[in-house]
Amino acid sequence: GAGVSQSPSNKVTEKGKDVELRCDPISGHTALYWYRQSLGQGLEFLIYFQGNSAPDKSGLPSDRFSAERTGGSVSTLTIQRTQQEDSAVYLCASSLEVLGGYTDTQYFGPGTRLTVL
Amino acid sequence: GNSVTQMEGPVTLSEEAFLTINCTYTATGYPSLFWYVQYPGEGLQLLLKATKADDKGSNKGFEATYRKETTSFHLEKGSVQVSDSAVYFCALGGATNKLIFGTGTLLAVQP
Repeated sequence: GAGVSQSPSNKVTEKGKDVELRCDPISGHTALYWYRQSLGQGLEFLIYFQGNSAPDKSGLPSDRFSAERTGGSVSTLTIQRTQQEDSAVYLCASSLEVLGGYTDTQYFGPGTRLTVL
Repeated sequence: GNSVTQMEGPVTLSEEAFLTINCTYTATGYPSLFWYVQYPGEGLQLLLKATKADDKGSNKGFEATYRKETTSFHLEKGSVQVSDSAVYFCALGGATNKLIFGTGTLLAVQP
């Protein structure tokens, strides 16, 4: 079946502009995650959705970052007033519902490479 | 807090050599442990996982055993191939389900 898809695959923007990144999870996966991969910081967790709610937003680096998920499916990560340090690859992952604290396998999308000039 | 410490690379091996990439973790409770691989130009893929102590995960000739007593999850392969060249990430699944990754280890296998 189809895997996790993300769009756009590449985004170049100017400092100060807003950007939206989209993630389509695997059908039937209720859990969705956003991560960021950058040279200086490695792979960092940003936010976790279970259904449409986000019980863990602890990784969002500032209030310029926000995310939402609608219909228990598609998610959008929005970065307002982008800065050069936001340049990174933004990865989305999804998994089946987690029960009893067991972390199920997360399947990753190809990522969106964001470059802020 | 939870953390993962992973062997720094790059690791350069000749084809058919034995591979070990060390990974240790710090965690409360009983986390799940994962190895993910990122081939050149591709996304992250799950390589193997283990969900409880003494479990052995295996896939494509790679193995890792969840050792609670040494808080380790070292990745091994008996005979590497050029096609195994990639970046390998050790990861821990925490209580809130987010993955905590190690820094990644670049493996380069030469023919």
